[in-house]
Amino acid sequence: AQKITQTQPGMFVQEKEAVTLDCTYDTSDPSYGLFWYKQPSSGEMIFLIYQGSYDQQNATEGRYSLNFQKARKSANLVISASQLGDSAMYFCAMRERYGGSQGNLIFGKGTKLSVKP
Amino acid sequence: GAVVSQHPSWVICKSGTSVKIECRSLDFQATTMFWYRQFPKQSLMLMATSNEGSKATYEQGVEKDKFLINHASLTLSTLTVTSAHPEDSSFYICSAKARGDSTDTQYFGPGTRLTVL
Repeated sequence: AQKITQTQPGMFVQEKEAVTLDCTYDTSDPSYGLFWYKQPSSGEMIFLIYQGSYDQQNATEGRYSLNFQKARKSANLVISASQLGDSAMYFCAMRERYGGSQGNLIFGKGTKLSVKP
Repeated sequence: GAVVSQHPSWVICKSGTSVKIECRSLDFQATTMFWYRQFPKQSLMLMATSNEGSKATYEQGVEKDKFLINHASLTLSTLTVTSAHPEDSSFYICSAKARGDSTDTQYFGPGTRLTVL
């Protein structure tokens, strides 16, 4: 079974609108971390936001927020006021503290976001 | 903060030669560095994990004699692709975790695009 599932291979959003990128995860580890990274066409992986499994509040970083629903095992990324520069691949990732992945990041397959002017 | 550099950004080499890629954490000490490989339109595939001063841990299916990893200091790890062949052509990207960071966030370098002729 996939540990990280991103069901949207591609998404379009109008400039200045908000967009939600979906991510669900699968783990039995009580302690884990969830991450979102942005990869523009240049290839660099840019860290956007982190959510710990014990964090009570949803993480926010500027225009990025993480909609963390622990019971549903979802960690959707919300980008507000989309900009043309937001066009990129977005990867959701998980790090389990005690699981078989030995603390390494497990990545989803990514969602390609395209922002339309 | 948390900047990771990678050098070179791209390299073209002849089949049978060796190529060394450097990964440096510029403003933090990296207890652990990771090497990934990424094929076009796919997610990142972890190749190996390296801790400063110890041998790298390779993922299943990654040849340790072909992909030599050295983590000589808390700010530098190198990946050497030995006797490169065209099938080794890929995008190689490193990441680093900072000492004392409880979130275990990995910060990525800009990547190296290797083309073997």
